[in-house]
This record gives sequence, structure tokens and C-alpha cells, in this order.
Amino acid sequence: AQRVTQPEKLLSVFKGAPVELKCNYSYSGSPELFWYVQYSRQRLQLLLRHISRESIKGFTADLNKGETSFHLKKPFAQEEDSAMYYCALLLHNFNKFYFGSGTKLNVKP
Amino acid sequence: GAGVSQTPSNKVTEKGKYVELRCDPISGHTALYWYRQSLGQGPEFLIYFQGTGAADDSGLPNDRFFAVRPEGSVSTLKIQRTERGDSAVYLCASSLGAGTEQYFGPGTRLTVT
Repeated sequence: AQRVTQPEKLLSVFKGAPVELKCNYSYSGSPELFWYVQYSRQRLQLLLRHISRESIKGFTADLNKGETSFHLKKPFAQEEDSAMYYCALLLHNFNKFYFGSGTKLNVKP
Repeated sequence: GAGVSQTPSNKVTEKGKYVELRCDPISGHTALYWYRQSLGQGPEFLIYFQGTGAADDSGLPNDRFFAVRPEGSVSTLKIQRTERGDSAVYLCASSLGAGTEQYFGPGTRLTVT
């Protein structure tokens, strides 16, 4: 069963525009959600996790248990934000991570 | 300090051959994960080690796949009788403990011809 869904394969926005990358999950327990990012020619790296409630590089993500969503948002996109973004769900009982299929963000000048 | 390293970076092999993929985690990281990433997909969990033991190998697709971590550090993913469908990028990640931040390696791109 698909546990993490990222409905958009590609999202193109202009520099300075708001951006929202969607992530929905399916899990009946207490989830822990993450966003990972992969810049061109770099390895996958953690962007943020919901329990830390931080803003990293201007990005934020709020866990909405009612809608089972964990959308990633940034009010003003920058060209350097262009990358692949993956949403991931951790099942603590099993120490397993489930990743979505990723969204490619392209920020145009 | 050094991050997670994986060797080789690229491996081309013929169908039916045996391959080994190596992962060197960050020193002191007790948890180690292997993932497979096919084109256009996110990383897919294969196996998780806590120390030397495989705590969860439920993601291994079949018995052609096997992984070891004999001394609780370096891990080797072994694939027997490779098939074209095994072609993918194999990622390794390590973390201080279960459920903590994972640090990924650069991956090994496996191509089975």
C-alpha cells in the first residue's frame, strides 16, 4: 500500500512566487514526517522534520493529521531551491522510512 | 568529517552475474539502511541494520538479495543471479540510532545488461 503520495512530479514557479509541494500519507498511528531534498549532483539530505518545527532555508511544513498531509511551503521561491524534494514517513515501531516518489521543483528566473 | 561512502559509484554487469555493493557509514553510526531507487521513484526501503544484526529485512525483494554488516560498520549488499529489473541506484544511509536523522551516501548505479 502506498504510504506516502506526492501528486506532482514537476512543479515550476517563477522566482519570488510562493511554492507548495504536496505530500499526503496513510498511517493510522502517530506519524513522523520528513522532507528530504536532492540538489543537482548532490546526495539526498534532510531538509526538515515535523517534530522540530523549524524553518529551514525559508521552508516550513505543518503536519495536518486531519487531512493526513505534510505539505512543504515557502513564501518566496529562489532559483537555488530548484531540486528534487521527497516526503518521507517514519514508522517508529518498525524503524522504517517510506518515501514518496518525489517532486521536481523548478524555479525559473 | 567524512560522510557515508559507497563503492563502486557505477557497476555494469551481465544478467545472471553476482554483484556486491559496499557501504561505509559515518563512524559511530549504529543504524544503517539500504534503499533502492528506480528511475522516477523515491528510495524504497530494503533492509535496516542496528549494529551487526539485520533488524528488518522485509524490504528485500527476494532471496537473491542479501546484506551483511559483520562488524557493525561496513555493510555489503549482495545480489545473486542479477536480472535486468535489478537495475537501479542503490542508496545507503546511516544514522546515530534508529529513527534519527539519516545521512545518505552518493549511491551505486547498477546496470544489468
